[in-house]
Amino acid sequence: DAGVTQSPTHLIKTRGQQVTLRCSPKSGHDTVSWYQQALGQGPQFIFQYYEEEERQRGNFPDRFSGHQFPNYSSELNVNALLLGDSALYLCASSLGGSSEQYFGPGTRLTVT
Amino acid sequence: QQQVKQSPQSLIVQKGGISIINCAYENTAFDYFPWYQQFPGKGPALLIAIRPDVSEKKEGRFTISFNKSAKQFSLHIMDSQPGDSATYFCAASMNNYGQNFVFGPGTRLSVLP
Repeated sequence: DAGVTQSPTHLIKTRGQQVTLRCSPKSGHDTVSWYQQALGQGPQFIFQYYEEEERQRGNFPDRFSGHQFPNYSSELNVNALLLGDSALYLCASSLGGSSEQYFGPGTRLTVT
Repeated sequence: QQQVKQSPQSLIVQKGGISIINCAYENTAFDYFPWYQQFPGKGPALLIAIRPDVSEKKEGRFTISFNKSAKQFSLHIMDSQPGDSATYFCAASMNNYGQNFVFGPGTRLSVLP
């Protein structure tokens, strides 16, 4: 039973560029949430996707956007990268309205 | 109101001792309180979770104590082991057409051999 997978593992981008991160949910899960975790801090909720639509959104600017595909996998896109976007980006999956979320290993984004 | 406070920031415990981490919240609409364990370079792993209708939940060496009136909950790790050394996060969420988790800032636990 495959858990949550994310790609790539690490990424280095230059300020102003755009980045796309990918997530495949745990088998059987249909809901994907994205979090940003700065070094030494707890994860911060970005948004959640269900049935290919954004269902909830945290306090993040429009530079952060996402997409969910029919197979429930998801992408996180960040435009006009800032140095402050450097963080570990975590994807979590769950089933429908379930509270149990399972996290992937994350993508470490470094913006220089 | 959306904040979850967590203490201590770091904790050092001897092998075999009890580790206690505390969290507090303000929003009474929260109805699910999980604890996550995170090792360096890894994503958080769900350890144990509780809902407000019970005051305590135990799974192996891990116990959550929940005080609804005080809006506080805590994680107790019994017989702490060096392999428990990690960062622990409490979180809270409410089921309002989706799950939006609010995490505490984390506690770095070191268990000395």
